Amino acid sequence: TQTVSQSDAHVTVFEGDSVELRCNYSYGGSIYLSWYIQHHGRGLQFLLKYYSGNPVVQGVNGFKAEFSKSDSSFHLRKASVHWSDSAVYFCAGCVGDNSKLIWGLGTSLVVNP
Amino acid sequence: GGIITQTPKFLIGQEGQKLTLKCQQNFNHDTMYWYRQDSGKGLRLIYYSITENDLQKGDLSEGYDASREKKSSFSLTVTSAQKNEMAVFLCASSRTGSNTEVFFGKGTRLTVV
Repeated sequence: TQTVSQSDAHVTVFEGDSVELRCNYSYGGSIYLSWYIQHHGRGLQFLLKYYSGNPVVQGVNGFKAEFSKSDSSFHLRKASVHWSDSAVYFCAGCVGDNSKLIWGLGTSLVVNP
Repeated sequence: GGIITQTPKFLIGQEGQKLTLKCQQNFNHDTMYWYRQDSGKGLRLIYYSITENDLQKGDLSEGYDASREKKSSFSLTVTSAQKNEMAVFLCASSRTGSNTEVFFGKGTRLTVV
């Protein structure tokens, strides 16, 4: 069984801080991973994805994520957050390009001014 | 670009009532999904469809029906609303072979009284 887990339900930082949102997966084979953002009262928006190749993936608005097979991780990072980055972030994965996405429970990021 | 439109945005129903949620997409995507989002529980897949007139059950299909009348539309029916149905229902779509990049509507918030 494949799983995607996000260890932090809530993260609070100040504007200008760097942030890392953690995502770990369990699966023995190749896995495709992605991150989504959900602002309050809105649907989810795609941020970035990893298929293969360069383990560091650049997304929109300064977000990037790094895939690590040894750690079974795909953590999302941003060097300097803005108050508008306050949202819930979801990590998701699938084991084949046509298989169902498996979702983490989300991490709520609060950026204080 | 494209958009996914969900109607209605808010739906109030009575316990035992049959309720229908509608979704339209203009991405020309083959695959469409219905997810249920409960607070603190992430996203759970109810139904998905890989082409017109196709239906596949997700992890939470009991108590729901779905219909993919044409490529651009996908509707979800709550067959008998229960008080614990109160949740946000998200419609989404993706290209065939690109299931890690999913586009979402803004959601329908269901309240059962």
